[in-house]
Order: sequence, then structure tokens, then C-alpha cells
Amino acid sequence: KNQVEQSPQSLIILEGKNCTLQCNYTVSPFSNLRWYKQDTGRGPVSLTIMTFSENTKSNGRYTATLDADTKQSSLHITASQLSDSASYICVVSAVDSSYKLIFGSGTRLLVRP
Amino acid sequence: GAGVSQSPSNKVTEKGKDVELRCDPISGHTALYWYRQSLGQGLEFLIYFQGNSAPDKSGLPSDRFSAERTGGSVSTLTIQRTQQEDSAVYLCASSLDSYYGYTFGSGTRLTVV
Repeated sequence: KNQVEQSPQSLIILEGKNCTLQCNYTVSPFSNLRWYKQDTGRGPVSLTIMTFSENTKSNGRYTATLDADTKQSSLHITASQLSDSASYICVVSAVDSSYKLIFGSGTRLLVRP
Repeated sequence: GAGVSQSPSNKVTEKGKDVELRCDPISGHTALYWYRQSLGQGLEFLIYFQGNSAPDKSGLPSDRFSAERTGGSVSTLTIQRTQQEDSAVYLCASSLDSYYGYTFGSGTRLTVV
């Protein structure tokens, strides 16, 4: 069964600190992996998208990594800001049904001053 | 408009009533998706529209759920005889095609009492 699992479920860090969020998936055949940020009461917003051949991609203070062999991805947030407080969702799609995104349950990040 | 618009933003309905949720996608986006986000769960695929092709309805949880997309633009998700387990946030997204970035609306929070 195609699944996406994320850890930790929730995380609290101090403003200015770095953090890393993890994503493991069993989706096959793999097409691409995306990280989304979802603020409370809003729809998810795309941060990065990576295909099989890409192993790192950055978007400002966000850096995503992908190891397609071990089926793992991480999202590293550098110099966190209060506005980074949100849910971060790992999303994977398969080649044979690329429009059926498979969502993880997300990591809820709280950045405290 | 500039983004995906969904209405209403919140809907409280009595068990057994029918509800209609509306999605107005980004102009020119041929692909439109409905997802459901239950509390503490990842987003769940419901239905996918692409241009004039027959929609993929494989994610609809029961025959009480239906959706249509008129004129290749606005979409309506209808839930008949609502049940308490239908309570969730219903998110709509649109994209140019299934690979490129999806733009999500802010969702409709449905509460069945």
C-alpha cells in the first residue's frame, strides 16, 4: 500500500534555531516528492518538488533532501522565524497516477520567541 | 482570480441534509482536484478533473458524494444525506497539469451535527 509517514508529529523550537523534519514513503513506482507548508485555516502551499534524479533542493531557508534508494526525505529549516509555525506536509506521487497525491499527516512546528 | 476560491469557508449542517461545496479554480488551469482533510489525518484524494476527459472519481468514499465541473471551470462537490463522519475540511486545488505545482484553496470546513 502506498503510504507516507512523517516524524516527528509535532516540534517546538526557539526562534533562530534550525530543525529537520523527516519523511519516509513506500510509494511505488515513484514519480516525485513535494513538501508543503500549511498555515492554520489555509490550504497547503508548495515549498519544493523533487524527482527521482534530484537529491537536494532549496527554497530560501528551506532545504529538502531526497534519497530515492532508501525512500526517505527531509526538510531542513534554517534560522527559524515565528512565521515558520505551521504544519509541514510531505507529499508523494506515483508514476502511474501522478495526480493522486499521497499526503503524510504532517509535522506541526511551533517556533517560540 | 489570483487564487483558488472556495465557498463557503465554513458550513454547519444537520445530519441527513444535503450540502454543496463550491470551487472556483485559477483561470486557465485545466486540472482540478478535490481532497478531504479529516482531523489529524493526511489529505485524502476524492476526485480529479482534467479538461474534457472523464473525471477520476475513484476516491469518492460513497455514492452520497458526487462532483461536477461545469464549462471546464467552476466545480461543485455535493454530499447527500450527510453523516457525522463527513465532518472534515474539503480542499480544492487546480493546476496546469498533474505534474506542476498545485494551488490549493483555503478549504471549506464542514461540520455535521
